[in-house]
Amino acid sequence: NAGVTQTPKFRILKIGQSMTLQCAQDMNHNYMYWYRQDPGMGLKLIYYSVGAGITDKGEVPNGYNVSRSTTEDFPLRLELAAPSQTSVYFCASRIPAGGGLGTGELFFGEGSRLTVL
Amino acid sequence: AQTVTQSQPEMSVQEAETVTLSCTYDTSENNYYLFWYKQPPSRQMILVIRQEAYKQQNATENRFSVNFQKAAKSFSLKISDSQLGDTAMYFCAFMKRNAGNMLTFGGGTRLMVKP
Repeated sequence: NAGVTQTPKFRILKIGQSMTLQCAQDMNHNYMYWYRQDPGMGLKLIYYSVGAGITDKGEVPNGYNVSRSTTEDFPLRLELAAPSQTSVYFCASRIPAGGGLGTGELFFGEGSRLTVL
Repeated sequence: AQTVTQSQPEMSVQEAETVTLSCTYDTSENNYYLFWYKQPPSRQMILVIRQEAYKQQNATENRFSVNFQKAAKSFSLKISDSQLGDTAMYFCAFMKRNAGNMLTFGGGTRLMVKP
């Protein structure tokens, strides 16, 4: 199983450029998440989705957009990149917790390191 | 909103010894999950152990165990017989049991296991 796959692993952007971080999972998970991790810090939620066609904001959504057209894919779009968006980005997925259907465990991708100069 | 606090930014332990990482959280919820995740230098986040709040028995996974004190809102991780491969960042995390939702992470504890 591939699990959660993120691309690219590394990227350098200039201020004002745009890009999309790709995330795909092959576990048929309903829920998908984008987190960012700043140096020496914990993870902060950017956006999440509970299923195809449904997305919602997390703690730090400004400067980002997402879409969820399929169960498998959850791309994160950065518009007008800023130095404050320099971070490591993690995509994660899970099945619903409770009712014997899931443990609540998140499955993470390997992360994408983005630098904005 | 939930908050998760890890008061120990860094810790070290000698190989084969035992270490305990602290975590406290604040919530008005009664049904929730708590997790410990490990992040080695490779950056991949790996689940170490989970606890369901309605279960009084503390979770254990091989050398890893937790001390869950619901009334005190405390969720510490004990690592027994520490190994060099346990060197990593450890994150405590909280999640409400209802559909959704966010996993709220603490700031992390960097653990160094020394030979």
